[in-house]
Amino acid sequence: AQSVSQHNHHVILSEAASLELGCNYSYGGTVNLFWYVQYPGQHLQLLLKYFSGDPLVKGIKGFEAEFIKSKFSFNLRKPSVQWSDTAEYFCAAKIGGTSYGKLTFGQGTILTVHP
Amino acid sequence: GAVVSQHPSWVICKSGTSVKIECRSLDFQATTMFWYRQFPKQSLMLMATSNEGSKATYEQGVEKDKFLINHASLTLSTLTVTSAHPEDSSFYICSARDRQNAGGGPYYEQYFGPGTRLTVT
Repeated sequence: AQSVSQHNHHVILSEAASLELGCNYSYGGTVNLFWYVQYPGQHLQLLLKYFSGDPLVKGIKGFEAEFIKSKFSFNLRKPSVQWSDTAEYFCAAKIGGTSYGKLTFGQGTILTVHP
Repeated sequence: GAVVSQHPSWVICKSGTSVKIECRSLDFQATTMFWYRQFPKQSLMLMATSNEGSKATYEQGVEKDKFLINHASLTLSTLTVTSAHPEDSSFYICSARDRQNAGGGPYYEQYFGPGTRLTVT
């Protein structure tokens, strides 16, 4: 069965530090990959997504992610975090190569950014 | 962007009672909505896929008689937790799927509601 793993449960950084959150998926076929963010008290919002093409995907708020097929990974990065990036981040995947399928979520990573 | 609302945002009920949670797509029609459950420090687990005008599709291990889903219109799906017990206490999140027409054909985007915190005493 398809699964998504996020290795870090809680990451704590100071402002201006660089961020990388790991995400690995287990599925041998075509997958669509997503990163969502959930700010405290708010709903899940889409940060970025990968369907095909350039494996380096740029999203909102300065975030980017790189799809590395050989490593089954889709890590989220940001060169310089801000206090407002404090939130929980979820990696997710859909199998099949279309936007129609069901999302499978990783466990989530809580990011705390200290001013 | 598209907005999905949930009501109530939190509810406390006594063991043995039933609780209904509503999920609405406010500015688009959603033939498909999804219901997730999130335990503390854990992932969102898909419970069921709700299809307008037809029966919901439940994930393995989810009791369909306990978690009743009704998707009676293109903008409303409801989840009823029947005979709730303390172990049903959780955060329930709905998501509505919006079909968009892109250059390469239809594209489906999921939008999430803010969630409902259920506490069963």
